[in-house]
Amino acid sequence: AQSVAQPEDQVNVAEGNPLTVKCTYSVSGNPYLFWYVQYPNRGLQFLLKYITGDNLVKGSYGFEAEFNKSQTSFHLKKPSALVSDSALYFCAVRDMMDSNYQLIWGAGTKLIIKP
Amino acid sequence: GAGVSQTPSNKVTEKGKYVELRCDPISGHTALYWYRQSLGQGPEFLIYFQGTGAADDSGLPNDRFFAVRPEGSVSTLKIQRTERGDSAVYLCASSLIPAGGPGEQFFGPGTRLTVL
Repeated sequence: AQSVAQPEDQVNVAEGNPLTVKCTYSVSGNPYLFWYVQYPNRGLQFLLKYITGDNLVKGSYGFEAEFNKSQTSFHLKKPSALVSDSALYFCAVRDMMDSNYQLIWGAGTKLIIKP
Repeated sequence: GAGVSQTPSNKVTEKGKYVELRCDPISGHTALYWYRQSLGQGPEFLIYFQGTGAADDSGLPNDRFFAVRPEGSVSTLKIQRTERGDSAVYLCASSLIPAGGPGEQFFGPGTRLTVL
C-alpha cells in the first residue's frame, strides 16, 4: 500500500538558519512526489514536485527538495529560513503506474521560524 | 487569472440536514478533486472527476456523500443527513493535466463545515 510519513509534527528553526522538513514514502513503483504549503485560513499551495530526472528539485519561495530513491525520502529544504515561512507543510505521493488517481498525503509538519 | 473558488467559506448546519458545497475550478482544468481535511491531518481524498464523469469515487465515506459536475466545470459536493463527524474543511482542487499524469493540483480556500 502507498503511504507517506512526515515524522516530525513540528520543526522549530531560527530565522536565517537552514531548515529541513522530512518526508519518507512507500509506493510499489516509481513515485511522483509533491510538497505543498498551507498558511492559516488559506488553501494548500503547490511548492514543488519530483517527476523524473535531477534528484534536486527547486521550487517556489527558495525551497528545494532532494529525491533519494534508496532511502525513499523527499526532504524539503531551504538554505536560510524566513519568519514568513512559518506554516504547515504537506508531502504527497502517487505511484507513477497506479491507475488509482489519488494522491496520498502525509499528516503535515508545522514549521515555526523564530526571529 | 482566477484561482479555484469555493462557496460558502463557512457552513454551519444542524445534524440531519442536507448541505451543498460548491467548487469553481480554474478555467480549462479538466480534472477536479474533492478532499476533506480534519484538524491536524492531511487532506483525505473523496472523489476525482475527469470532465463530467467521476473517474474515482472510492474515497466517499458512505452513500450520504455525492458529487456532481454536470458540465465539466463547476462541481457540487452534496451531503445528506449530516452527522457531527462530517465536520471538517472540505477542499476542492483542479489540475490541467489529468491525475494520470504528474500535474500539480491547485487548491481552493476550502469550505469549513460545522455540524451541530
